[in-house]
Amino acid sequence: ETGVTQTPRHLVMGMTNKKSLKCEQHLGHNAMYWYKQSAKKPLELMFVYSLEERVENNSVPSRFSPECPNSSHLFLHLHTLQPEDSALYLCASSHARSGSYNEQFFGPGTRLTVL
Amino acid sequence: QQQVKQSPQSLIVQKGGISIINCAYENTAFDYFPWYQQFPGKGPALLIAIRPDVSEKKEGRFTISFNKSAKQFSLHIMDSQPGDSATYFCAAWNSGGYQKVTFGIGTKLQVIP
Repeated sequence: ETGVTQTPRHLVMGMTNKKSLKCEQHLGHNAMYWYKQSAKKPLELMFVYSLEERVENNSVPSRFSPECPNSSHLFLHLHTLQPEDSALYLCASSHARSGSYNEQFFGPGTRLTVL
Repeated sequence: QQQVKQSPQSLIVQKGGISIINCAYENTAFDYFPWYQQFPGKGPALLIAIRPDVSEKKEGRFTISFNKSAKQFSLHIMDSQPGDSATYFCAAWNSGGYQKVTFGIGTKLQVIP
């Protein structure tokens, strides 16, 4: 596997289900991100982890819970979601060098549908 | 509040034509402007980027034009090809804002034969 992988690629869940999205990067990066991509909206940054520590949390509802056990893996735990949470969830990774732009490498995303 | 405004949201161009996508920003603290390209079923990938001290950057058929005083920048795709059909996002980054990148709404480009 190369680059950034995400599983599952598609997920349908009911509002009372609990599920998790998984992201893995094989690029030697030490920062990882979760984004939400909805139609006709800009990419929304949800969470940023740098060196396995959460450094950004953009007022995301608590029904989304991230976990970063090491620099290569990132999870997004989902619980009691709403239909408006249906979207493409993108994971990205980058180096974490301060003061310079670090190109973010994106995975293919998980298409989430909440019924 | 949309910090980076992008237009148009969709664009149809004939093969061989020029595709032009425009973006504008308000925050003068932004100091790096990348463009990302996203094909269906794939995540966005960095295409080309520019710093505000440069007025133009060209890579192959892709050119960014930057107007610092107007706080506007644009992507030109010369000799557009069907393989260029994708969604394009302009973005902006502030070196004081850690790794947070602000994205535009995206432009879906279709190049027809």
